[in-house]
Amino acid sequence: DAGVTQSPTHLIKTRGQQVTLRCSPISGHKSVSWYQQVLGQGPQFIFQYYEKEERGRGNFPDRFSARQFPNYSSELNVNALLLGDSALYLCASSSDTYTEAFFGQGTRLTVV
Amino acid sequence: DQQVKQNSPSLSVQEGRISILNCDYTNSMFDYFLWYKKYPAEGPTFLISISSIKDKNEDGRFTVFLNKSAKHLSLHIVPSQPGDSAVYFCAARVNFGNEKLTFGTGTRLTIIP
Repeated sequence: DAGVTQSPTHLIKTRGQQVTLRCSPISGHKSVSWYQQVLGQGPQFIFQYYEKEERGRGNFPDRFSARQFPNYSSELNVNALLLGDSALYLCASSSDTYTEAFFGQGTRLTVV
Repeated sequence: DQQVKQNSPSLSVQEGRISILNCDYTNSMFDYFLWYKKYPAEGPTFLISISSIKDKNEDGRFTVFLNKSAKHLSLHIVPSQPGDSAVYFCAARVNFGNEKLTFGTGTRLTIIP
């Protein structure tokens, strides 16, 4: 079985641009969460979606948005990129609420 | 406000010995705890979890202990193997509402052959 897949794996953007990151959950998993990990820190929760509805939002500005599609894949959008948005963006999926989350390999975003 | 703390940024252990990684938390609403292992250029890999109704959970070489009164948990790896060298993250969750995981800052474990 394929695990959580994220695309692209690496991305370089310029300040002020917009970026879209994509995530395909493990087959059968209905919950997708997004995390941001900056160097030297643990992952920070951004969003959780379950059955296409937002279930939770972390302490991130409105420049960050996400959505989940009928096939449970998800996109994370970040507008007006700042240098501080440079990080590893992780997607995690789980089969239902209150079960273990499985992570993808991440998208490394560099803002220059 | 760091609600999950891993106070040891790094730990070195001889191969074959026991590795003990520690984690403290401050939020008494946390009732489910997880350990993840992360290699460079990869996403975190789930290792083991424990519910707050238990004080121990074991899976092969990995055992997690939870002391609720002290708000402390630890991960024991025995015997330690070279492939265990990675960064280990402790994470916690409140078991209602959303699935937000709150992570610690990680401990880099190095197993010395």
